[in-house]
Amino acid sequence: QSVLTQPPSVSGAPGQRVTISCTGSSSNIGAGYDVHWYRQLPGTAPKLLIYGNTNRPSGVPDRFSGSKSGTSASLAITGLQAEDEADYHCQSYDSSLSGYVFGTGTKVTVL
Amino acid sequence: EVQLLDSGGGFVQPGGSLRLSCAASGFPFNNNAMSWVRQAPGKGPEWVSTIGGSGSSVFYADSVKGRFTISRDNSKNTVYLQMNSLRAEDTALYYCARNRGSGSYYNYCFDTWGQGTLATVST
Repeated sequence: QSVLTQPPSVSGAPGQRVTISCTGSSSNIGAGYDVHWYRQLPGTAPKLLIYGNTNRPSGVPDRFSGSKSGTSASLAITGLQAEDEADYHCQSYDSSLSGYVFGTGTKVTVL
Repeated sequence: EVQLLDSGGGFVQPGGSLRLSCAASGFPFNNNAMSWVRQAPGKGPEWVSTIGGSGSSVFYADSVKGRFTISRDNSKNTVYLQMNSLRAEDTALYYCARNRGSGSYYNYCFDTWGQGTLATVST
């Protein structure tokens, strides 16, 4: 069981904005550790989408943005496109577990 | 182009062993920490182990501590995961991943992933 909780699914129509939450605790996100986000298409490896809470790697469109506050973080996708249908995972570090932790994962569906 | 090529997975009985390899190219290998992350069927990713650039620092998830050993050969640009005393719950797709970050390793992310190699533990 993961220490970072995400909603199992979110959905939206093309062009809409969706957000995915990642809720942690005082031993991970709340302790100030960075949150990173990954997108995983079916049958492929996860791909880094956001690092260091708010930063986008080269090549990731600015439709994707990250934020962090307190013990939670969020990923926002604006201008939703069919290609955004995928699983999204947050990741941070947990001091109680002394290791990196991933979220429970969220499936994004484009209606 | 940065590339990671995972290999070494297979079918093994409980209690058996496997050695995974990850060949890296396209970047200065000894400048980066490297990790193994696994994903069981239908589940999310789970961090397994990380090794620092020089190989002197290693970290393990509690679920594999004492059974798995991570190592690297910087002359071959390769990182390894020796998996012993395998259990059914170790069945997963194992990904090699490059760590990225500045400052404390606590804030590292996984910026490049291999294609994964499947380890199946079953009778």
